[in-house]
Amino acid sequence: SYELTQPLSVSVALGQTARITCGGNNIGSKNVHWYQQKPGQAPVLVIYRDSNRPSGIPERFSGSNSGNTATLTISRAQAGDEADYYCQVWDSSTLVVFGGGTKLTVL
Amino acid sequence: QVQLVQSGAEVKKPGASVKVSCKVSGYTLTELSMHWVRQAPGKGLEWMGGFDPEDGETIYAQKFQGRVTMTEDTSTDTAYMELSSLRSEDTAVYYCATVSPLNWFDPWGQGTLVTVSS
Repeated sequence: SYELTQPLSVSVALGQTARITCGGNNIGSKNVHWYQQKPGQAPVLVIYRDSNRPSGIPERFSGSNSGNTATLTISRAQAGDEADYYCQVWDSSTLVVFGGGTKLTVL
Repeated sequence: QVQLVQSGAEVKKPGASVKVSCKVSGYTLTELSMHWVRQAPGKGLEWMGGFDPEDGETIYAQKFQGRVTMTEDTSTDTAYMELSSLRSEDTAVYYCATVSPLNWFDPWGQGTLVTVSS
């Protein structure tokens, strides 16, 4: 079965750039989607198809995907960006796969 | 704009079943592919299954096959997820979400907490 690996936590200073990785075998050949989940709330899509932002998502959020790693980048991090972030792909054998999630802390 | 509103919290005893609803507005259910994801307390997201428009059938994660049933009432644009033989490990927030043709989940319902306790 296909698996996605994310760091448990990432810390970033206020105003700096945070990078959250999502590792998977040849993940560069798949479409990767990213979700933000704040405490007590449902997940929200922040990046789809590797690098596309839904309407309403700030330009500070960007994504890339190549080789065995996809990356969610949050520029000029704000206190309001503190949340759990999940990557997700569709795999032909496992179907829907979510990463384990990364807790982003803004210092 | 699609909006999903789920039913309220449930408390069930081990061995019982639970049925969670997800009411669609803004679109009709037949235009959407509805899926279900759960999240145990303090844990990550776990996909349970959903409607595959390519096959016209509902697909289930292997872990839940035989224990979960997902149905739709197109007359009321309401989707349902029923989980049977509940055990304490099924305590979780259950989300419905619509899935795009390229397989991203957006939007999500607000979630329904199901607590399994004797």
